[in-house]
Amino acid sequence: GDSVTQMEGPVTLSEEAFLTINCTYTATGYPSLFWYVQYPGEGLQLLLKATKADDKGSNKGFEATYRKETTSFHLEKGSVQVSDSAVYFCALTENTGGFKTIFGAGTRLFVKA
Amino acid sequence: DTGVSQDPRHKITKRGQNVTFRCDPISEHNRLYWYRQTLGQGPEFLTYFQNEAQLEKSRLLSDRFSAERPKGSFSTLEIQRTEQGDSAMYLCASSLGQRIQETQYFGPGTRLLVL
Repeated sequence: GDSVTQMEGPVTLSEEAFLTINCTYTATGYPSLFWYVQYPGEGLQLLLKATKADDKGSNKGFEATYRKETTSFHLEKGSVQVSDSAVYFCALTENTGGFKTIFGAGTRLFVKA
Repeated sequence: DTGVSQDPRHKITKRGQNVTFRCDPISEHNRLYWYRQTLGQGPEFLTYFQNEAQLEKSRLLSDRFSAERPKGSFSTLEIQRTEQGDSAMYLCASSLGQRIQETQYFGPGTRLLVL
């Protein structure tokens, strides 16, 4: 079945450091890909998305590129802030007529001042 | 605030009891989803509705679980004869549109503890 694998956390960085959170997926079709973020004490919210190969999703300084050849959707940010401390989830929705969304296990990010 | 709301936010129950959770989606959102999230894991899909029709159910949704969305507005998720393994956060989300890439908006969740 479809699955999403993301790097285990926690990831601890100093402010202004470069961030990469790896995400790879397996899918039988051609999914749409998402990154969701959960800040402390808040609900899940969409961070960015990409719907076809080579699309780049971006938001709040975060970017991720849909790489079909490597089945990856790695999240990057050039300079993290303390306020980016959160749990990040990679997810896919299969494009086969259903709307089932598969989430990764999440990666917790701590950013130190 | 017109986001997705869920009630109750917390529920403690004894094993064997029935519980019911409610989700109110964003007004006019035609799609509604239920997920379950355990500690340290991502949300797991349970079921989704388009308007009042339940179109997909996960194999995780045993016959003790039932979900409804009468009139295509709010939804309820009932768990009968609760078990300790049902302890989790139950999340509801809603979206508007026909395409898979539509943004899902999540509620704050209902945390269930089965003693």
